[in-house]
Amino acid sequence: QQQVKQSPQSLIVQKGGISIINCAYENTAFDYFPWYQQFPGKGPALLIAIRPDVSEKKEGRFTISFNKSAKQFSLHIMDSQPGDSATYFCAASTTGANNLFFGTGTRLTVIP
Amino acid sequence: KAGVTQTPRYLIKTRGQQVTLSCSPISGHRSVSWYQQTPGQGLQFLFEYFSETQRNKGNFPGRFSGRQFSNSRSEMNVSTLELGDSALYLCASSLGRTLSGELFFGEGSRLTVL
Repeated sequence: QQQVKQSPQSLIVQKGGISIINCAYENTAFDYFPWYQQFPGKGPALLIAIRPDVSEKKEGRFTISFNKSAKQFSLHIMDSQPGDSATYFCAASTTGANNLFFGTGTRLTVIP
Repeated sequence: KAGVTQTPRYLIKTRGQQVTLSCSPISGHRSVSWYQQTPGQGLQFLFEYFSETQRNKGNFPGRFSGRQFSNSRSEMNVSTLELGDSALYLCASSLGRTLSGELFFGEGSRLTVL
């Protein structure tokens, strides 16, 4: 059973456009929501993370929006660049547990 | 500072064999986690070790096992390999005291079972 559901599976965006990836979860005990970026042949790397006490977190061109009541969170990539082409994973966990439940990933392609 | 190092990077085994994968965490990190990555299932948690003790275990059969040594290096073993065990096995390290959020992943060991 997938604890975190992610969509879309793949996404193609023009350079300069906005990329939006959505995730949903069921377990209300989750209180930590990171996003990881993975390039081919590399391991995932933490991009940005949020806790449910805030509804939005921004770091550069990357923004997480969090809707606690809907149990949804999303990643927005502004001014998308070809170098952003990678696979993005959302994840969730609970404080004190050192394991992450990952979404199935979104392969983003940014066309020049 | 050196990152997480996993060996071997690639290996091919046949059904029924066993395999051992190794992970050296970032210096100072005491927690090591293992994940299996496949195209169909994505990243799935296998187990996590902290100070040589398994703290958490995912929903995998007993053929999957691991251990951690006193220097925090970790190994995972898969016995009686099945075709479905073909995957990228990722090791991640963290300080481990609390879930700070950041797991540092290695580049993985890609296992192919024929």
